[in-house]
Amino acid sequence: QVQLVQSGAEVKKPGASVKVSCKASGYTFTSYDINWVRQATGQGLEWMGWMNPNSGNTGYAQKFQGRVTMTRNTSISTAYMELSSLRSEDTAVYYCARDRSIPAALIYDYWGQGTLVTVSS
Amino acid sequence: SYVLTQPPSVSVAPGQTARITCGGNNIGSKSVHWYQQKPGQAPVLVVYDDSDRPSGIPERFSGSNSGNTATLTISRVEAGDEADYYCQVWDSSSDRVVFGGGTKLTVL
Repeated sequence: QVQLVQSGAEVKKPGASVKVSCKASGYTFTSYDINWVRQATGQGLEWMGWMNPNSGNTGYAQKFQGRVTMTRNTSISTAYMELSSLRSEDTAVYYCARDRSIPAALIYDYWGQGTLVTVSS
Repeated sequence: SYVLTQPPSVSVAPGQTARITCGGNNIGSKSVHWYQQKPGQAPVLVVYDDSDRPSGIPERFSGSNSGNTATLTISRVEAGDEADYYCQVWDSSSDRVVFGGGTKLTVL
């Protein structure tokens, strides 16, 4: 069965960086794009960007351009999202989500369990 | 930038029909997807491409999309349907995925 398992909660200081991992299993990792979506407490969903695990190509929401980097390690079927220059407003649960289609259609059929990132001095 | 507008809350009695709307400029020209999110859990895709259901999603969940409004319809509502629901589209003009603000469905 398809699973996306994310790394554990993080606490970071303002200005630091955080790197969240998303380990895929139950399917061919390089066949489906991975997207990242975040959700502040009590708020809605916010899309951050996509990554093609086969090519490594990425596309980021303009809001996060210059601060976010999405990468992967195909040998261990793991995607990563790194966010830099953290500020308190970045406190949120970060989700990885698999695109359901080939080619990508930006529809998400499997999600990780979420990783809480807290930014606090 | 493209904006999707959802009502903050919808309430319905068990066994009745819930309709959750998602408004956007000419949204009928886009493909709309819907997610259900229960407290403390990740979202779950319940309808995609306006009206298709992923495997495992009950037929009680259906969708439509026309003009400036897309609608998620949940028939014969059950207590277990209580959750937040989000609509989502791809906005090609800004090259980004857009989510609605979410609607909290309360089963009375």
